[in-house]
Amino acid sequence: QQQVKQSPQSLIVQKGGISIINCAYENTAFDYFPWYQQFPGKGPALLIAIRPDVSEKKEGRFTISFNKSAKQFSLHIMDSQPGDSATYFCAARRFEGPMNYGGATNKLIFGTGTLLAVQP
Amino acid sequence: DADVTQTPRNRITKTGKRIMLECSQTKGHDRMYWYRQDPGLGLRLIYYSFDVKDINKGEISDGYSVSRQAQAKFSLSLESAIPNQTALYFCATSLSGGQETQYFGPGTRLLVL
Repeated sequence: QQQVKQSPQSLIVQKGGISIINCAYENTAFDYFPWYQQFPGKGPALLIAIRPDVSEKKEGRFTISFNKSAKQFSLHIMDSQPGDSATYFCAARRFEGPMNYGGATNKLIFGTGTLLAVQP
Repeated sequence: DADVTQTPRNRITKTGKRIMLECSQTKGHDRMYWYRQDPGLGLRLIYYSFDVKDINKGEISDGYSVSRQAQAKFSLSLESAIPNQTALYFCATSLSGGQETQYFGPGTRLLVL
């Protein structure tokens, strides 16, 4: 089953507008929530991440809003630009305690992705 | 991307053939992962390795095997390829000790006929 649900599947935004992508999760043991950005022909790359002890994190035009009680988090892209056109994946990590090899597990559960197109 | 390389970048094979996808990294990371990406399904973890002696199954390991030949090399094998293994495959690396960021390679596009 999909442990991290992402919506919408695709999104078209005008240049200068706000892009909003939403994710929801069920497992309260998740302790780290990154967003990855993927351009065509490339691998995903970390964009921004948040931990559940804060409600918002901002890096430039990108903001994560986190609602722990609702088990939801979202990515906001302010002043969206054509260069932001990409596929965005939310993800969550479940903390599984100390391991034999250097600390907690780093397994990520990814959402299904959102294809964002920013029109000029 | 240049720090994590994958070969081949594209591959067409036939049902029943054995195929190996290779991943190398120069980042000095100890943890390596194999994912597959399918439209509408996102990225799903196939196998991961936290060290040369450590191999773990992910969500969808059936039909796949892996080998961690060295800290810098992690290969994925399809012993007998089937059409529903047609997908985009990514290798990723990360560093232990609280570093959560995973660094992805450029991907291998596999078509099984």
